[in-house]
Amino acid sequence: ILNVEQSPQSLHVQEGDSTNFTCSFPSSNFYALHWYRWETAKSPEALFVMTLNGDEKKKGRISATLNTKEGYSYLYIKGSQPEDSATYLCASLLNQAGTALIFGKGTTLSVSS
Amino acid sequence: DAGVTQSPTHLIKTRGQQVTLRCSPISGHKSVSWYQQVLGQGPQFIFQYYEKEERGRGNFPDRFSARQFPNYSSELNVNALLLGDSALYLCASSFWQGSNQPQHFGDGTRLSIL
Repeated sequence: ILNVEQSPQSLHVQEGDSTNFTCSFPSSNFYALHWYRWETAKSPEALFVMTLNGDEKKKGRISATLNTKEGYSYLYIKGSQPEDSATYLCASLLNQAGTALIFGKGTTLSVSS
Repeated sequence: DAGVTQSPTHLIKTRGQQVTLRCSPISGHKSVSWYQQVLGQGPQFIFQYYEKEERGRGNFPDRFSARQFPNYSSELNVNALLLGDSALYLCASSFWQGSNQPQHFGDGTRLSIL
């Protein structure tokens, strides 16, 4: 059974702080790793899709890295802002042909001004 | 362009009843997936359809079924509802099925079973 773990479960930071979260996934039969941001009362929004070992992706102040050999990905937020408050979900693709994502429970970030 | 739309937004049913949830993907998207999200957990994969054929099924009982129509919209049906079926049901679409395709999610249908 594919198990995706995320840590920490929740995080509270001050505006301007930089922070990072961890996503762990089985390294065998890896196909892709997705990151999503889910704000309250909105739908999950895709941040990154990563497929290659050593991949690094960036979107504004948010970046992510991928290590498929050891089975982890880090999401970094530089200079957190209140609008970054959300639950951040990572998901590993179950198979190469499909789009069956196995999600972790998420990391809930709260940023105070 | 319109995003993924789901209907209804909220639904209240009683145990034993049947429910149908609907999803319209982004125009041009041919793949639709359904997920169940209960409080404190990440979304759990239920079904994936691509080009009107089932391409994946998660670990859900046969009470759960789905289909995709020629216009790529989709329905999720749940029979003999149980209290444990209370959850947020999310629909997601992508242009095609593939490992590098991000999923575009709808706002979900909140199903409450009394």
